[in-house]
Amino acid sequence: QVQLVQSGAEVKKPGASVKVSCKASGYTFTSYGISWVRQAPGQGLEWMGWISAYNGNTNYAQKLQGRVTMTTDTSTSTAYMELRSLRSDDTAVYYCARGRGVTTPFDYWGQGTLVTVSS
Amino acid sequence: QSVLTQPPSASGTPGQRVTISCSGSSSNIGSNTVNWYQQLPGTAPKLLIYSNNQRPSGVPDRFSGSKSGTSASLAISGLQSEDEADYYCAAWDDSLNGAHVVFGGGTKLTVL
Repeated sequence: QVQLVQSGAEVKKPGASVKVSCKASGYTFTSYGISWVRQAPGQGLEWMGWISAYNGNTNYAQKLQGRVTMTTDTSTSTAYMELRSLRSDDTAVYYCARGRGVTTPFDYWGQGTLVTVSS
Repeated sequence: QSVLTQPPSASGTPGQRVTISCSGSSSNIGSNTVNWYQQLPGTAPKLLIYSNNQRPSGVPDRFSGSKSGTSASLAISGLQSEDEADYYCAAWDDSLNGAHVVFGGGTKLTVL
């Protein structure tokens, strides 16, 4: 069965970077892409961007351009999301989600990774 | 402020039919399909409806979706206590400022 398993919770100081991983199993990793979606405490969902696991093409949300980098390692079927220059309003649960293409629905989701930014 | 507009809350009694609306614009709902996600308390979102009105395998037919112009709606018939959750609509937005996925602000459904 399809599974996306994310790395554990992180606590970071303002200005630091965080890298969250998402290990996929149960399907052909390179046949799909991975989107990253975050949810601040008590708030709604915010799309951060998408990466193709086939060729590494990316599409980032404009507001995060320059601070976010998404990568994949096809040898381990793992996607990564790195966010730099962290601010307090980056505190959120970060989800990875599978999608065939950048415009397609997210049919499977990871369990979420809480990233807390605090001094 | 979310690009797609949903009512913050909705409610119904067991067995009732409830609908949740999602309003957008020509650059998102008006020109692209709508997906709906269900988020049970403390869990990750789950795909509920895709391509306006399609149900993934395993989703009960009590859930249905529709779209007209720049608005979409999710209907839940035969409401059950386990349907108490947050519901989000989403669509691709072909904005000139940069195409991206947009979500509604979410609707908290309470089963009375």
